[in-house]
Amino acid sequence: SAVISQKPSRDICQRGTSLTIQCQVDSQVTMMFWYRQQPGQSLTLIATANQGSEATYESGFVIDKFPISRPNLTFSTLTVSNMSPEDSSIYLCSVQNTDTQYFGPGTRLTVL
Amino acid sequence: AQSVTQPDIHITVSEGASLELRCNYSYGATPYLFWYVQSPGQGLQLLLKYFSGDTLVQGIKGFEAEFKRSQSSFNLRKPSVHWSDAAEYFCAVGGNTDKLIFGTGTRLQVFP
Repeated sequence: SAVISQKPSRDICQRGTSLTIQCQVDSQVTMMFWYRQQPGQSLTLIATANQGSEATYESGFVIDKFPISRPNLTFSTLTVSNMSPEDSSIYLCSVQNTDTQYFGPGTRLTVL
Repeated sequence: AQSVTQPDIHITVSEGASLELRCNYSYGATPYLFWYVQSPGQGLQLLLKYFSGDTLVQGIKGFEAEFKRSQSSFNLRKPSVHWSDAAEYFCAVGGNTDKLIFGTGTRLQVFP
């Protein structure tokens, strides 16, 4: 398995601002993923972040809104830009370890 | 199209009763199947997974799941539920390194 931490665990932000979420894993992994979980909903994949290449975004998500960095094999960031109340969600990172994805504790974001 | 269906949005059981959570999937290749649990305010924890071999798989916390290819199902079971099992349960399907597709989740409530 893998031990994953995220910062911050929660935040309350004002409309129009940006927030960067950090994801740290305790071992080197090739594939990292960012998910969004809107209130009462399931998980939706935002993008896949592989070290050394540009992130691959899913339909409905764009780099200008959700820029991602992946500077090394143990760390990634997701920025939620120009936030609106509709961005209020839990954001989770996960890592692929052999055949299984393991998830971080999530970042609970509230946008006012 | 690839999809996961969890028909039961909300299930309520008494402590000590048996439990079965349903999951049906549609996937074009050999599926890798997962059950995750999310406690309130927490990230996702892997309960169990199925890749191949014995169709009855054992997981953590006394859970098991049975893969039935003919029914495209991967139902989760527990013979005796504990109050601490109250949580949201997600079924997911993917390939070896494909992204995961999640069901909408089943919220389990346990009465004493």
